[in-house]
Amino acid sequence: DAGVTQSPTHLIKTRGQQVTLRCSPISGHKSVSWYQQVLGQGPQFIFQYYEKEERGRGNFPDRFSARQFPNYSSELNVNALLLGDSALYLCASSPALALLDKDTQYFGPGTRLTVL
Amino acid sequence: AQTVTQSQPEMSVQEAETVTLSCTYDTSESDYYLFWYKQPPSRQMILVIRQEAYKQQNATENRFSVNFQKAAKSFSLKISDSQLGDAAMYFCAYRSWVEYGNKLVFGAGTILRVKS
Repeated sequence: DAGVTQSPTHLIKTRGQQVTLRCSPISGHKSVSWYQQVLGQGPQFIFQYYEKEERGRGNFPDRFSARQFPNYSSELNVNALLLGDSALYLCASSPALALLDKDTQYFGPGTRLTVL
Repeated sequence: AQTVTQSQPEMSVQEAETVTLSCTYDTSESDYYLFWYKQPPSRQMILVIRQEAYKQQNATENRFSVNFQKAAKSFSLKISDSQLGDAAMYFCAYRSWVEYGNKLVFGAGTILRVKS
């Protein structure tokens, strides 16, 4: 089975532009989470979606938004890009949202966003 | 809010030797999950081991084991018989049992170098 896939792999944008990142979860997984990993730091939680609804949001400005589609894939949108948005954006999927023992998150390879 | 601290920015180990990576966390909750994730240079985050806080027995996965000290809020990872493929960034992560969803709170990471 394919793992979590993300596109594009790399992206270069300029300040003020908008960007859309895409994620396809593992087949059968209904929950998708997004994380931002700035170089040299641990990932920071941005959003979680389950069954097309937002179920959690981290401490990020409203310039960040996301959505989940009926096939459980997800998009992360960032408007009015700032230099500080340069980071690796990770998507993670899990089977469900409940606090199940085996509800592990599986990560994709990430999208490297560079803002110039 | 929960926090995770990894006090060792970088560690080195000789091939076939044993190394221990440290992690401490802060929480007011009594039930939660703790994880160690590995992120090789290829960037894909991989789950190494998981510990449920209600379990007193330390988790073990082949060459990887943890030393979970709940009272001290400490969660170290021991890698035995280190291999070149173990070289990566290692992240300690916390997941709440009470808070809805499965958001992960990560530490800043420890770079592990394996010398041949």
